[in-house]
Amino acid sequence: GQNIDQPTEMTATEGAIVQINCTYQTSGFNGLFWYQQHAGEAPTFLSYNVLDGLEEKGRFSSFLSRSKGYSYLLLKELQMKDSASYLCAVRDDKIIFGKGTRLHILP
Amino acid sequence: GAVVSQHPSWVICKSGTSVKIECRSLDFQATTMFWYRQFPKQSLMLMATSNEGSKATYEQGVEKDKFLINHASLTLSTLTVTSAHPEDSSFYICRATGGGGGVSETQYFGPGTRLLVL
Repeated sequence: GQNIDQPTEMTATEGAIVQINCTYQTSGFNGLFWYQQHAGEAPTFLSYNVLDGLEEKGRFSSFLSRSKGYSYLLLKELQMKDSASYLCAVRDDKIIFGKGTRLHILP
Repeated sequence: GAVVSQHPSWVICKSGTSVKIECRSLDFQATTMFWYRQFPKQSLMLMATSNEGSKATYEQGVEKDKFLINHASLTLSTLTVTSAHPEDSSFYICRATGGGGGVSETQYFGPGTRLLVL
């Protein structure tokens, strides 16, 4: 079956670094996405990985290992506005979303 | 970049009434629109996929007679929740694509519609 696992909640301190992990088991794979979702809002796109390795985009980086069915989102220099849910999603023939990781940033 | 709008953003209705939610692509032709539902602290669950001019494809467990989807034009899809009940209260989000399958198309979510059924 299709399954995407990520931690339910994480807490980090402003200015620090946090890594949000995602593991997946899907019948097919055509890319992995990370989205940010603030409460009451729709998701916004952060990153896309289809090949193994690290993709860096400013303070956010995303890593993929297809053989391990594993990805992580790395957030550096955390800011209070980064408090949100982070959704891992895998595209098979459709996009399947994980339940999201609620990230709390402490001052 | 492309923009997808939804209307209304908030709706409160009485149990038994029907509610229509519109999803519009503002600067591109959306050949495919996806409708999601999200309950509090839960993931986005795909309800149905609609292609312009054809019947929607519903995910398992989603009642097609209760959630009517119309995609009559390349810029507009509507989701009608018929005879809404309190358990239908949720956050409904649409996503639109132009059909090319590119990465950028995965970004175009509407802002969502929060439905509360009393």
